[in-house]
Amino acid sequence: GAVVSQHPSRVICKSGTSVKIECRSLDFQATTMFWYRQFPKQSLMLMATSNEGSKATYEQGVEKDKFLINHASLTLSTLTVTSAHPEDSSFYICSAGGAPDGSSYEQYFGPGTRLTVT
Amino acid sequence: AQTVTQSQPEMSVQEAETVTLSCTYDTSENNYYLFWYKQPPSRQMILVIRQEAYKQQNATENRFSVNFQKAAKSFSLKISDSQLGDTAMYFCALKEYGNKLVFGAGTILRVKS
Repeated sequence: GAVVSQHPSRVICKSGTSVKIECRSLDFQATTMFWYRQFPKQSLMLMATSNEGSKATYEQGVEKDKFLINHASLTLSTLTVTSAHPEDSSFYICSAGGAPDGSSYEQYFGPGTRLTVT
Repeated sequence: AQTVTQSQPEMSVQEAETVTLSCTYDTSENNYYLFWYKQPPSRQMILVIRQEAYKQQNATENRFSVNFQKAAKSFSLKISDSQLGDTAMYFCALKEYGNKLVFGAGTILRVKS
């Protein structure tokens, strides 16, 4: 099956700094990538959908200026948490796949990144 | 709007026995997909099984099978011969054609030896 990687797997940063998380599709080209946030023992919450070469679409309530998403190529999307605060501490998961119009059902998930803001 | 409901926050089962996880959903579409994902302690999301709504036959993957009741909008997962490695959080998910994947709240399954 298709493989999606995330880097780093865990990161600790100080309050007020920015941190970047990378999501790569290793053996296929992903026109669409998704970013999720997950709190302990809770479900995945979709933050945004990014399509290669265009601006990301953010879900209601997600601050686009705080969570910057860039999908520069068909194999790489990045999530930058700007001016991080302790409440941004969470588990962030990306997935890749699907067609831009949402017609494809295939999504392949990365292993996730645990962010801790001190 | 598409919604997914998992009414069992936690369940436990004895090793080698069978357990069924419940899921109901709501959609106004006729074409959609249903999924069960497993999230073990490593937190890697793993696709367990997939069902296309237009198919009447229930999907089966080895020890995992579903009971898909389209009219009742029910999509339960049956795990036979439970193994310790099945311990995980299980998410039911729905994807309408052209729309995003929506997850249920999840069910924590513990397999006991």
